[in-house]
Amino acid sequence: NAGVTQTPKFRVLKTGQSMTLLCAQDMNHEYMYWYRQDPGMGLRLIHYSVGEGTTAKGEVPDGYNVSRLKKQNFLLGLESAAPSQTSVYFCASSYSKPGTYEQYFGPGTRLTVT
Amino acid sequence: GEDVEQSLFLSVREGDSSVINCTYTDSSSTYLYWYKQEPGAGLQLLTYIFSNMDMKQDQRLTVLLNKKDKHLSLRIADTQTGDSAIYFCAESMGGSSNTGKLIFGQGTTLQVKP
Repeated sequence: NAGVTQTPKFRVLKTGQSMTLLCAQDMNHEYMYWYRQDPGMGLRLIHYSVGEGTTAKGEVPDGYNVSRLKKQNFLLGLESAAPSQTSVYFCASSYSKPGTYEQYFGPGTRLTVT
Repeated sequence: GEDVEQSLFLSVREGDSSVINCTYTDSSSTYLYWYKQEPGAGLQLLTYIFSNMDMKQDQRLTVLLNKKDKHLSLRIADTQTGDSAIYFCAESMGGSSNTGKLIFGQGTTLQVKP
């Protein structure tokens, strides 16, 4: 199993450009999450999904959109990138049955917006 | 709202014990977690504790939970240079509509000196 994979690993955008980050998991997890990580601020939840076709806002959703058309994929879109969106983005997934809800993380995407 | 606080930095000598502390606010959290992030990588679950437990031991790791004070700690015995990483405390969001969402602290950078 590859676990959780993210593409791309690095990206540089100019202000106003758009892009999509792809997250894929092969563990048949129901739940998926997108976080951003900034120095001294931990991980902040952007959007999440509790199943195919469903998405919900997290703590910092502004400027981002998501889609979960297939259970194994969770896409994060930036329609008009801003320098404030320079960050490291992590995708995670977890089982839905009651339990520990361990989240499995991808390796991250480092995004720079100039 | 929910909040998780950690000190940002801890430095220890190889062979000493490390204690990383965390405070949280959501008294309905069912699970509390410790994640480890090595440089350039995603987060990996180290250990977790159920909210009705006071202590959990797993090899060199000891987790202590003081539910009254909403205080969680992670003790690493015989700290090695390979333990150098960022350690995140996280709490699960309680309530009947648990979506697996976690609230993360800012992360504690552990530096282990030889």
